[in-house]
Amino acid sequence: NAGVTQTPKFRVLKTGQSMTLLCAQDMNHEYMYWYRQDPGMGLRLIHYSVGEGTTAKGEVPDGYNVSRLKKQNFLLGLESAAPSQTSVYFCASSYRDSYTDTQYFGPGTRLTVL
Amino acid sequence: KQEVTQIPAALSVPEGENLVLNCSFTDSAIYNLQWFRQDPGKGLTSLLLIQSSQREQTSGRLNASLDKSSGRSTLYIAASQPGDSATYLCAAPNQAGTALIFGKGTTLSVSS
Repeated sequence: NAGVTQTPKFRVLKTGQSMTLLCAQDMNHEYMYWYRQDPGMGLRLIHYSVGEGTTAKGEVPDGYNVSRLKKQNFLLGLESAAPSQTSVYFCASSYRDSYTDTQYFGPGTRLTVL
Repeated sequence: KQEVTQIPAALSVPEGENLVLNCSFTDSAIYNLQWFRQDPGKGLTSLLLIQSSQREQTSGRLNASLDKSSGRSTLYIAASQPGDSATYLCAAPNQAGTALIFGKGTTLSVSS
């Protein structure tokens, strides 16, 4: 049982390049989330999904797209990276909604955009 | 809109001390409150989840309390150890229950 895994762990991009971050969970969780963590800002929600085939915007969605084609995977895409997207990205999952269930976090992806 | 605040931002204590971390939230109509631990360069690990119907939740040397009426939660750590050094974050659900709103955390350093 690997829990929540994220690929890659580190990445350096140039401004304007694109990339996809992959999150996978093996706990059969319905809900999945993408957060970014910046110094002094804390964790902020980018996008989330309440089930396979669904996605919704969080607090800071601009510049990002997501897809949940399979229940176990949640992809975060950056179409044209900007230096402001330099951050640590965390994926999380939970069985049900935040009213009742805790979230399980992945180890993070450290992204630098030059 | 839910806002979560944690005080202090940083705390240094000698080994063996009992300590309290504070968390306040603006929307008292919450269903639960969660405490997480984050080690440097790592992801978050859930420590305790307190449902709104509970007043306290305990796990080993950790005890979390929740007072919805005052919009406060505390995390009590007994007999602190150097291994407790980490950042502690509290989080409350947003109004729709679709995600968590996090405080900025308290970074704890326990010296031996």
